[in-house]
Amino acid sequence: EVQLLESGGGLVQPGGSLRLSCAASGFTFSSYAMSWVRQAPGKGLEWVSLISGDTETTYYADSVKGRFTISRDNSKNTLYLQMNSLRVEDTAVYYCARSKIYCSGESCYLGVWGQGTTVTVSS
Amino acid sequence: EIVLTQSPATLSLSPGERATLSCRASQSVSSYLAWFQQKPGQAPRLLIYDASNRATGIPARFSGSGSGTDFTLTISSLEPEDFAVYYCHQRSNWPSITFGQGTRLEIK
Repeated sequence: EVQLLESGGGLVQPGGSLRLSCAASGFTFSSYAMSWVRQAPGKGLEWVSLISGDTETTYYADSVKGRFTISRDNSKNTLYLQMNSLRVEDTAVYYCARSKIYCSGESCYLGVWGQGTTVTVSS
Repeated sequence: EIVLTQSPATLSLSPGERATLSCRASQSVSSYLAWFQQKPGQAPRLLIYDASNRATGIPARFSGSGSGTDFTLTISSLEPEDFAVYYCHQRSNWPSITFGQGTRLEIK
């Protein structure tokens, strides 16, 4: 069964740091680009960051550029998001999701998601 | 950034009725548009990709149409499990992908 399982969320003060993890199973992890998408309480979905399957390429939303770092360990089938200089507005459920870069059709889209991990930034 | 605007914000219908949800893009996204369903406490689920193709395992009552800037998600006959929030999503401006603000489909 294809599965993504996030962990690492919690309560952190403004200016603090947190590292999220996303453990993948049931598919060839290195064949997929991985994204983080977040959802603030009662709000819509916001793409945060993407990393290619070979780890060579990363992209970030302007709202997190310079503060967040996406990485992955293909030997451990795990995706990470290092979040520094956290702000109150970073409070959200963070989802990891997979897609492909060189693709056609369904695989180009975020077709598999984890259940999410909650990050709360508050003093 | 490509902005996706969904309408209506809330749609109140009864089981068995037909639902029509709209999504308008601020510039052409060709057919690179998808629809997601999200239920409370759950992750989004991909329903439709490339504007009109059902994702794996999605029932035939869900259909999508449109291209360019105007798109529609239709649910032909609502089942009780279809009441949820629906988001449109574009990957035309990859990697700067964006989502609409959502349409809440509620039971009347």
